[in-house]
Amino acid sequence: QKEVEQDPGPLSVPEGAIVSLNCTYSNSAFQYFMWYRQYSRKGPELLMYTYSSGNKEDGRFTAQVDKSSKYISLFIRDSQPSDSATYLCATPGVGGYQKVTFGIGTKLQVIP
Amino acid sequence: SQTIHQWPATLVQPVGSPLSLECTVEGTSNPNLYWYRQAAGRGLQLLFYSVGIGQISSEVPQNLSASRPQDRQFILSSKKLLLSDSGFYLCAWSVQGVSYEQYFGPGTRLTVT
Repeated sequence: QKEVEQDPGPLSVPEGAIVSLNCTYSNSAFQYFMWYRQYSRKGPELLMYTYSSGNKEDGRFTAQVDKSSKYISLFIRDSQPSDSATYLCATPGVGGYQKVTFGIGTKLQVIP
Repeated sequence: SQTIHQWPATLVQPVGSPLSLECTVEGTSNPNLYWYRQAAGRGLQLLFYSVGIGQISSEVPQNLSASRPQDRQFILSSKKLLLSDSGFYLCAWSVQGVSYEQYFGPGTRLTVT
């Protein structure tokens, strides 16, 4: 079983919509979860990370962890065409403070 | 501030030819360094990571190798490229022990023909 699993999409939404991107993870002992954004033909950039459970908000972006269901989510409010990118979830796993496992990424298109 | 460089940006190589991709980081010391490959529809695959000079951990057995001759330099090599080596190669760095914050370079797009 993969450490994180993610639907590759693509996901297409109209501008201004609320976007929900999701991943599941395999081990309830995982503590850190990250979301990266990758524009076409560019390297990924870290959007935000969460530790343990709960929500973390940064502007229009909210990351949420539900440990009971082993589910992590990224919400984008008031989505913009500039949000069109691939979003990757990731985790360093258990004691994996040297390396990270990434989901396959969900491709998002925000249509003006 | 920290900066990560990769070169070349694009590369087209014939099967059986050698490969050398270079990555350098500026503005930090003793970083963890990583090489990833991203093939179409397959996500980011960790190839190698390094916690210090000369210390390389391999994640995937294949015809690639990595070296870290200096603290902030990471090199990915191959003696003979295969068609399956085509992909987008990304270098990344993180602070020691803080792998959840990785910072990626611009990548090298390799096409093996």
